[in-house]
Amino acid sequence: QKEVEQDPGPLSVPEGAIVSLNCTYSNSAFQYFMWYRQYSRKGPELLMYTYSSGNKEDGRFTAQVDKSSKYISLFIRDSQPSDSATYLCAMSGGGGSTLGRLYFGRGTQLTVWP
Amino acid sequence: DAMVIQNPRYQVTQFGKPVTLSCSQTLNHNVMYWYQQKSSQAPKLLFHYYDKDFNNEADTPDNFQSRRPNTSFCFLDIRSPGLGDAAMYLCATSWGPAVNTEAFFGQGTRLTVV
Repeated sequence: QKEVEQDPGPLSVPEGAIVSLNCTYSNSAFQYFMWYRQYSRKGPELLMYTYSSGNKEDGRFTAQVDKSSKYISLFIRDSQPSDSATYLCAMSGGGGSTLGRLYFGRGTQLTVWP
Repeated sequence: DAMVIQNPRYQVTQFGKPVTLSCSQTLNHNVMYWYQQKSSQAPKLLFHYYDKDFNNEADTPDNFQSRRPNTSFCFLDIRSPGLGDAAMYLCATSWGPAVNTEAFFGQGTRLTVV
């Protein structure tokens, strides 16, 4: 079983839709949860960062972490064509993990069409 | 302004011909990472440096080596590239050893092996 599971999609939605992206994980020691956005042929850029369980909102983006279920989500409201990218979840922390080492999901490819 | 810079953006090399990818950073971060990302897969950590201390992942092939001559620069050497080494190579940096420090990625180098 991979440490981080993420449905690769692709996911295609119309402009203005609410998008829900999810990851599950197996290592209960993870404490820090991140979402990275990666445009085609570019490096990942940090979008959202959450510690432990709870919600975090930043503009049109909301990140949720449910540690009891080992499940994290990213919601995008009022999605725009410029949101079209691959979204990677990542997590770190605890359990003897390499310092700062990120455990990534494989990414979900999102297309928002006008 | 670019903070983690990878060169070249695209690299074509011949099967078995040594190749070096470079990464530089203006953030003065202590930790530098090299990830390998194949199409539609999660980035895979190859190794990292904490200052001058080199840390190799257990499953990183011996064909991959790294050098960090100073804080700003880090190199990835592939001694004898095979077709299976074609991938995007991502360099990332973070401030310190704490697992909650943000990682900053470069734009990546896309390696093609012919």
